[in-house]
Amino acid sequence: GAGVSQTPSNKVTEKGKYVELRCDPISGHTALYWYRQSLGQGPEFLIYFQGTGAADDSGLPNDRFFAVRPEGSVSTLKIQRTERGDSAVYLCASSLTRAGEVNEQFFGPGTRLTVL
Amino acid sequence: SQQGEEDPQALSIQEGENATMNCSYKTSINNLQWYRQNSGRGLVHLILIRSNEREKHSGRLRVTLDTSKKSSSLLITASRAADTASYFCAGWGYGQNFVFGPGTRLSVLP
Repeated sequence: GAGVSQTPSNKVTEKGKYVELRCDPISGHTALYWYRQSLGQGPEFLIYFQGTGAADDSGLPNDRFFAVRPEGSVSTLKIQRTERGDSAVYLCASSLTRAGEVNEQFFGPGTRLTVL
Repeated sequence: SQQGEEDPQALSIQEGENATMNCSYKTSINNLQWYRQNSGRGLVHLILIRSNEREKHSGRLRVTLDTSKKSSSLLITASRAADTASYFCAGWGYGQNFVFGPGTRLSVLP
């Protein structure tokens, strides 16, 4: 595809349930980021992949959050035992890297997660 | 905690006027990037400035970077109603992944 896509666009779930959010990055982009954004705030960094490996997962808030990128392309963010405070828009972005430097990020439209 | 901080938090101007937004950061960076987000939509990259650059232009956008003060500014000249959006800065480098500030909400009135 031409851009970063994320599915689903909206997800409503009940407290305590498990959810998976998917990100399809731009083909050939080695770097992939997950963020979450609450209303009126900037994106909050969650995790960064370089290829298949998580280069930095320091932004994951706790062990209920986990992300994978098994083939270095599509990534899935997994949230266990969801809580109401997890409600936010989850953004994915991909980027090329040159000499280890991350350049322009291309963002997807986001998945709006609502935990009731 | 967010290390990027934009100010002002909100800015309202008339079409045709210039808009200036500022950004401060706390750690050293390789580059700093500005993004725009229209209401309810994803972020769009505007411009990247590297730590060895002091000023950069792209169309109606002008970005400056002062690494000694750990600050950057974004100037939008001859603003249009379509420029109404939230603007974010984010620094990258030296082991610090993108840290976005809370953004500046710009309203351009026709």
